[in-house]
Amino acid sequence: GAGVSQSPSNKVTEKGKDVELRCDPISGHTALYWYRQSLGQGLEFLIYFQGNSAPDKSGLPSDRFSAERTGGSVSTLTIQRTQQEDSAVYLCASSLSNSGLLNTEAFFGQGTRLTVV
Amino acid sequence: EDQVTQSPEALRLQEGESSSLNCSYTVSGLRGLFWYRQDPGKGPEFLFTLYSAGEEKEKERLKATLTKKESFLHITAPKPEDSATYLCAVQKKGTALIFGKGTTLSVSS
Repeated sequence: GAGVSQSPSNKVTEKGKDVELRCDPISGHTALYWYRQSLGQGLEFLIYFQGNSAPDKSGLPSDRFSAERTGGSVSTLTIQRTQQEDSAVYLCASSLSNSGLLNTEAFFGQGTRLTVV
Repeated sequence: EDQVTQSPEALRLQEGESSSLNCSYTVSGLRGLFWYRQDPGKGPEFLFTLYSAGEEKEKERLKATLTKKESFLHITAPKPEDSATYLCAVQKKGTALIFGKGTTLSVSS
């Protein structure tokens, strides 16, 4: 596709359930980022993938959160045993690269709005 | 600690009333500073990348500038459709973007 695609666009889940959020980056983009945005808050970094390098997981808030990126393309963010404080918009972005002399701009998807009830 | 601070948090302008948004940052080894626009219910939309102090970029009514400590997003003669939240982010080589909390701009006709 032409842009970053995220699915589902909305997800309502019961507290304690596991959820999976999907991100399809722009074709050819080697860098992929996950962010979380709570109501009225800025973007909180979660995890970052760059090519075949080990991901930067430093932003994951707890061990209930994990992410993988298969074949250097599609990424899945998994939240286990969801809590109400996990309710937020989860945003995915991709960029051509982040390892050269110049950074390239990151393009965002529309996000997945997660509501934990 | 790397940090990005945007001000003001909210800004109300009349149509045609020019103003500036500020993004101050403390980061070692800055590789790029980015401006995004975000409309309600949407993902951030890329506007500009600035790489070095003194650099300027323009797009329609928007102009972004960069110094060693801050960036400004100047809005000239804004229109109601410029109403949005404007986000600033910084990046070091090989790391994720660090975002400020944004400035919410409202332009009334």
